[in-house]
Amino acid sequence: GAGVSQTPSNKVTEKGKYVELRCDPISGHTALYWYRQSLGQGPEFLIYFQGTGAADDSGLPNDRFFAVRPEGSVSTLKIQRTERGDSAVYLCASSYSSGDYNEQFFGPGTRLTVL
Amino acid sequence: DAKTTQPNSMESNEEEPVHLPCNHSTISGTDYIHWYRQLPSQGPEYVIHGLTSNVNNRMASLAIAEDRKSSTLILHRATLRDAAVYYCILRSGGSYIPTFGRGTSLIVHP
Repeated sequence: GAGVSQTPSNKVTEKGKYVELRCDPISGHTALYWYRQSLGQGPEFLIYFQGTGAADDSGLPNDRFFAVRPEGSVSTLKIQRTERGDSAVYLCASSYSSGDYNEQFFGPGTRLTVL
Repeated sequence: DAKTTQPNSMESNEEEPVHLPCNHSTISGTDYIHWYRQLPSQGPEYVIHGLTSNVNNRMASLAIAEDRKSSTLILHRATLRDAAVYYCILRSGGSYIPTFGRGTSLIVHP
């Protein structure tokens, strides 16, 4: 079946602009996660959804970052007033539920470059 | 989640077994040991997980020390496609957020 998809695959923007990154999870997966990965580092947790609600947004670095999942499926990560330090690969993952034995399925990521 | 320690990199030859170690001396009784790997330019993918007993699946085997303070991911016959960064992660009971470290970069020589 279809895996997790993310669009766009690459996004180049200028400092100060607004960007939206989209994630389509695996159908039927209730849990959805956003991560950010800088070069040479492991993925860093940003936010987690269980259904439509953000169950944990403690990883969001500041209030320029926001994510939604209005119908419990597709999610959008929104970044306002982008800064050069926001450049990274943004990964989305989904799982059937949030239990600790449930593997997460990752998308290929969106590479964001802020000039 | 408790902390894990892995070597930064390891090398292997194709068709040989690979043993990737992970230390987790502060593991608690409810922590599951998960392994993910990340191929170049891809998102991480699940490899295997276990709690106390050794585990086998089609991708790899997971050997867990009796005191659970360390574990080893075993690739029985490395292929070039196994070249990736391997992450050892502890997930405590009810925890939904895996904490990724820098992992071990596995280099496989033909």
